[in-house]
Amino acid sequence: DTGVSQDPRHKITKRGQNVTFRCDPISEHNRLYWYRQTLGQGPEFLTYFQNEAQLEKSRLLSDRFSAERPKGSFSTLEIQRTEQGDSAMYLCASSLLAGGPGNEQFFGPGTRLTVL
Amino acid sequence: QQQVKQSPQSLIVQKGGISIINCAYENTAFDYFPWYQQFPGKGPALLIAIRPDVSEKKEGRFTISFNKSAKQFSLHIMDSQPGDSATYFCAAISGPYGGSQGNLIFGKGTKLSVKP
Repeated sequence: DTGVSQDPRHKITKRGQNVTFRCDPISEHNRLYWYRQTLGQGPEFLTYFQNEAQLEKSRLLSDRFSAERPKGSFSTLEIQRTEQGDSAMYLCASSLLAGGPGNEQFFGPGTRLTVL
Repeated sequence: QQQVKQSPQSLIVQKGGISIINCAYENTAFDYFPWYQQFPGKGPALLIAIRPDVSEKKEGRFTISFNKSAKQFSLHIMDSQPGDSATYFCAAISGPYGGSQGNLIFGKGTKLSVKP
């Protein structure tokens, strides 16, 4: 399968713990996006990378959220000191360039986070 | 501030009927409008997309109608099938194509149920 993969698919954690999610994009894609989706809502943009450079991070929800893409391939999203309000589906998407005709974003299956 | 407004929130259609989902936007910088289909527990999957210089695009049973002056666009699903039961999201990307960061801005979604 050459699609976007995410790991783990589900994560249950206790409030205050740190969690890290991984995303492996489609191999030739140099753009990687992270979105958050809460129940009954559309995905909400968090941050994105072009290759290894994080070009937008002002939309990360708080300073407890951070993301990396160290070698321009896979990416990780870390949430420190989790809160119950962080419970959501975290989606990763990749595309060739900025997105648009011929550069559509392809989404992974998501990581469902539950904070107890 | 919701930049893409989607309606209805839920829709029930009989098998063989036409499903219509509507979206409206305010930001004239949007220049690409994809629709995504999402099944429970899965990531969104691109269904069909349109540029504002085109008034209609059809792919199989799925048609996007676009009204640039009204800043509205809609998805029509012809001959709706039970397998079409999913949540549908309209989205938009700010231009210029290829030069923007390319993050998708989603509507809140429409949950479609097609009854056999």
